Amino acid sequence: EMQLVESGGGLIQPGGSLRLSCAASGLTVSTNYMNWVRQAPGKGLEWVSIIHRGGSTYYADSVKGRFTISRDNSKNTLYLQMNSLTAEDTALYYCARGFYGMNVWGQGTTVTVSS
Amino acid sequence: EILMTQSPATLSVSPGERATLSCRASQSVSSNLAWYQQKPGQAPRLLIYGAFSRAAGIPDRFSGSGSGTEFTLTISSLQSEDFAVYYCQQYDNWPPYTFGQGTKLEIK
Repeated sequence: EMQLVESGGGLIQPGGSLRLSCAASGLTVSTNYMNWVRQAPGKGLEWVSIIHRGGSTYYADSVKGRFTISRDNSKNTLYLQMNSLTAEDTALYYCARGFYGMNVWGQGTTVTVSS
Repeated sequence: EILMTQSPATLSVSPGERATLSCRASQSVSSNLAWYQQKPGQAPRLLIYGAFSRAAGIPDRFSGSGSGTEFTLTISSLQSEDFAVYYCQQYDNWPPYTFGQGTKLEIK
C-alpha cells in the first residue's frame, strides 16, 4: 500500500523557518513527481511546489525564493524547507504524488505562523 | 496563470438524484484537468484525471466530461458518502498548477 506521512509542522513566529518532511512507503519518491499542496483554514487547495523525477523543481509565486523542495533518496523522503514565514503561510500542508492528477496524498501537517 | 472557476459554490441535492458540478478555465487546458473530492478532516482524493478518466477504485457513478475551457463532473444517483467538497485542477499550463475554489455538495 502506498502511503505518505508528513511531519514537522508546528507553531512558528513570523520570520521563522521550518522544515516539513514527507516519508513515503510503498512508492519511491525519486521516481515520482512529488508535490506540496497547502490548505489555509477553511479555504481551498493551493499548489505550492513540485519536484520532478529528474530533479527539476518549481514553485508557486507566493513561495518562490522562500521555500525549497528537496528529497533524500536514501530515506525515501520529501522535504519542504520554509523560510521567512508569514501569517499567510498558515495552513495544513499535504504532500502528494502525481503530475497528471495527484493520486496519493498524506494526511497533512499543520503550520501556524503567529507571534 | 490559469484561473479555474467552479460553479455553483454550494449545490444542494437529494440522495439518489444526479449532481452536476462545473469548472471553467480562463484559457484552454485541453483535457489536462483533474477532479478531487475532499471530506471534512480528510485529504483530497483523486476522482478523475484527463478530464474523463476515473482514478483507481472510483465508482462509475462519477463521470467527467469537457475539454478546452468547460468541464463537468457528474455524480449519478448520489450516495450519502458523496456529500463533500469537490475541486477541479488544471495541469496543462504550469507552474503553477491551479485549483478551483471548490463546490460544496450538500444534502437537500
